[in-house]
Amino acid sequence: EPEVTQTPSHQVTQMGQEVILRCVPISNHLYFYWYRQILGQKVEFLVSFYNNEISEKSEIFDDQFSVERPDGSNFTLKIRSTKLEDSAMYFCASNLPGEIGTALKFSYEQYFGPGTRLTVT
Amino acid sequence: GENVEQHPSTLSVQEGDSAVIKCTYSDSASNYFPWYKQELGKRPQLIIDIRSNVGEKKDQRIAVTLNKTAKHFSLHITETQPEDSAVYFCAAIQNTGFQKLVFGTGTRLLVSP
Repeated sequence: EPEVTQTPSHQVTQMGQEVILRCVPISNHLYFYWYRQILGQKVEFLVSFYNNEISEKSEIFDDQFSVERPDGSNFTLKIRSTKLEDSAMYFCASNLPGEIGTALKFSYEQYFGPGTRLTVT
Repeated sequence: GENVEQHPSTLSVQEGDSAVIKCTYSDSASNYFPWYKQELGKRPQLIIDIRSNVGEKKDQRIAVTLNKTAKHFSLHITETQPEDSAVYFCAAIQNTGFQKLVFGTGTRLLVSP
């Protein structure tokens, strides 16, 4: 079964440095998302991306964050100048909402990647 | 915007007992309610979902019920097993057309043998 993949699994960086988190969504999916989860807390929406542009972003997603789909397979999240409070697990997700397969089952399911643990020191 | 509340924050049961986790949402336009299971250090995994045109859905030992009028939905796990131990998150999709998931705060379920 196709899966969303993410690299690296763990990234350690110093405060003020730039980081790029990479994701490969499922190949036929059209909607892409980034979420983050601070240790022990809930999963929080950061941004959604469709048709090569941001469709929605949260208050967390400020000017320090950007997303890009540089080619037909990768989807990246860049943090320009990391802060200590950016330390979290970052999950990429993708989906193709609509009727699926011959069963005509409508699905909104978002498929999550394994996450990148970002540690800012 | 949408706000999802989830209770309890922790739930301890004996193997074989049932477990119930409850969530409420604020946006009456939300129309899709998934439940995710997250094991320590792993990705959230969808275990069951329900759309707003259905009141109940069951898949083996797990079921979800939805009360649109009261804006709450619940996860029911019967005959719990130790491998059900994990953090469970409910979520709702705001009806913006771009499927932004809004998650609840999570319930840590511990099933003791």
